[in-house]
Amino acid sequence: EAQVTQNPRYLITVTGKKLTVTCSQNMNHEYMSWYRQDPGLGLRQIYYSMNVEVTDKGDVPEGYKVSRKEKRNFPLILESPSPNQTSLYFCASSLEGFTEAFFGQGTRLTVV
Amino acid sequence: ILNVEQSPQSLHVQEGDSTNFTCSFPSSNFYALHWYRWETAKSPEALFVMTLNGDEKKKGRISATLNTKEGYSYLYIKGSQPEDSATYLCAFPYNNNDMRFGAGTRLTVKP
Repeated sequence: EAQVTQNPRYLITVTGKKLTVTCSQNMNHEYMSWYRQDPGLGLRQIYYSMNVEVTDKGDVPEGYKVSRKEKRNFPLILESPSPNQTSLYFCASSLEGFTEAFFGQGTRLTVV
Repeated sequence: ILNVEQSPQSLHVQEGDSTNFTCSFPSSNFYALHWYRWETAKSPEALFVMTLNGDEKKKGRISATLNTKEGYSYLYIKGSQPEDSATYLCAFPYNNNDMRFGAGTRLTVKP
């Protein structure tokens, strides 16, 4: 089954404790991206990757890091999480940047 | 600053009503316009990807039109059903890579 898998689904953590949210896709897609969703703001792009070892900043990259060492995986790293990073996060993949995106199940992160 | 605007923000209709909402986007450097349906507690799912001016797409009772010259797209739902209740998002890939989403239109269909 074609899918994008994110883990964990829910995470509560403390300020400053490094965390990683994993994302994996099995569709051999070139393009992967991370979004955060906050009430009233819609989905905002954090980082995207056009291919292995190629990443670029989206709309709201501050406080986040990503890596793309393999085509299927695109982890999101928060080196020192802060309460303003409490949000719902989605990973997505697509064949190319302008084609249909397939979303993961979402990760609800709370930073206290 | 590139803005993708959606209106209305929310909509409440009765079962059987037809409804429509709007997405406006920058009319320059157009690559595509996406519509997604996002049900509560689920992930957004693609409805349409539209690429040509004048494009019309249809999936069951849902259809969409596109005007790239004036920078807008309409999504129509004919004979709304309670299962159509969801947030409808439009998205515009700026520079082919940087995807910008509107804030969405939240549709509630009352039985």
